[in-house]
Amino acid sequence: GNSVTQMEGPVTLSEEAFLTINCTYTATGYPSLFWYVQYPGEGLQLLLKATKADDKGSNKGFEATYRKETTSFHLEKGSVQVSDSAVYFCALRGAGRRALTFGSGTRLQVQP
Amino acid sequence: DGGITQSPKYLFRKEGQNVTLSCEQNLNHDAMYWYRQDPGQGLRLIYYSQIVNDFQKGDIAEGYSVSREKKESFPLTVTSAQKNPTAFYLCASSPSQQGAWTEAFFGQGTRLTVV
Repeated sequence: GNSVTQMEGPVTLSEEAFLTINCTYTATGYPSLFWYVQYPGEGLQLLLKATKADDKGSNKGFEATYRKETTSFHLEKGSVQVSDSAVYFCALRGAGRRALTFGSGTRLQVQP
Repeated sequence: DGGITQSPKYLFRKEGQNVTLSCEQNLNHDAMYWYRQDPGQGLRLIYYSQIVNDFQKGDIAEGYSVSREKKESFPLTVTSAQKNPTAFYLCASSPSQQGAWTEAFFGQGTRLTVV
């Protein structure tokens, strides 16, 4: 079946540091890949997505590239801000699958 | 503004009582979903519906029930058969593009506490 594995958190960084959150997946065929962000006490917001191999999703300074050869979709940002502190979820939608499969989430804490 | 509305935001119930969580969307999406989130864990799929009057069990459907009588509404009932119902519940919906579903849009969640 489909599965998503994320690096465990929390990830603690200083403001303006470089961010990488690793995400790898297992799926048959060619899934669509997503990153969501969750702020405390709220629902999930779509951050970015990629629907085919080598696609790069980007939004608000965050980027992730769909790597079919390594089955990965790592999230990166060049310079984090305190306001980026949140939980980040990697997710996939497999071919013919009607719902998203989520990773366990990675908490990011950015210190001023 | 279009979106997904979950109510209430916080819900307290006594053990052994059934409780219904509301989810309404005005995005004209065909598909709707219910997920459960426990502390430090990812989201687990409870039920989903692709069309009115049809729904499918997800990975953890035991102790839950749903209905889809209208396109806009997908209420979730947490029954007394659910052994550990205290959790954060998230409702979501997806548009259909040429028969395929893409990203999901989420409501703000309902935090259910059973005492």
